[in-house]
Amino acid sequence: DTGVSQNPRHKITKRGQNVTFRCDPISEHNRLYWYRQTLGQGPEFLTYFQNEAQLEKSRLLSDRFSAERPKGSFSTLEIQRTEQGDSAMYLCASSSDRVPYNSPLHFGNGTRLTVT
Amino acid sequence: DQQVKQNSPSLSVQEGRISILNCDYTNSMFDYFLWYKKYPAEGPTFLISISSIKDKNEDGRFTVFLNKSAKHLSLHIVPSQPGDSAVYFCAASALDTGFQKLVFGTGTRLLVSP
Repeated sequence: DTGVSQNPRHKITKRGQNVTFRCDPISEHNRLYWYRQTLGQGPEFLTYFQNEAQLEKSRLLSDRFSAERPKGSFSTLEIQRTEQGDSAMYLCASSSDRVPYNSPLHFGNGTRLTVT
Repeated sequence: DQQVKQNSPSLSVQEGRISILNCDYTNSMFDYFLWYKKYPAEGPTFLISISSIKDKNEDGRFTVFLNKSAKHLSLHIVPSQPGDSAVYFCAASALDTGFQKLVFGTGTRLLVSP
């Protein structure tokens, strides 16, 4: 179990540019989640994948955001035409549906995005 | 609409004493509650959880209490250690979503001094 891996750890971009983050979940986990955390707040749910299917998206995920999970393994989160309000920590988490519902999510260390 | 609230942004405790972190929630559909600990530059790490069918769950130095009628839960750390210094997040989810769609509080920063 190598844990949830996220790359890059930090990303600084100029307003209007596109950025893409990658998440590699724990290998046997088929559920993958994206959360966003801004300063002084707790993580907020963005989207959820079961295998390769994106089953739920938060209203926070505007049309500038797109997430994919091809082949049900790693996932990418792309933000187009970044805005300063997109500056946040983007967290990925994974879990398995082969364990009880109440098994905790395993989070990665996040990608910190700064939009200048 | 903050469904999970942690009203104390910070808490300072001396080593060896008890730390009590509090959390309130408003959504009566929540049936599973968790505490996560977060160090700077790291992701949240699961600490302890409790199902709504219980009122107490204990794991070593950590105990979580749930009062459903008051929609309140608390995390007790006894004895507190300097390594416990971190931000603690309370989180909740509802079984009817079919997956763990966690709703987090804003966190409480715990500082344990030697």
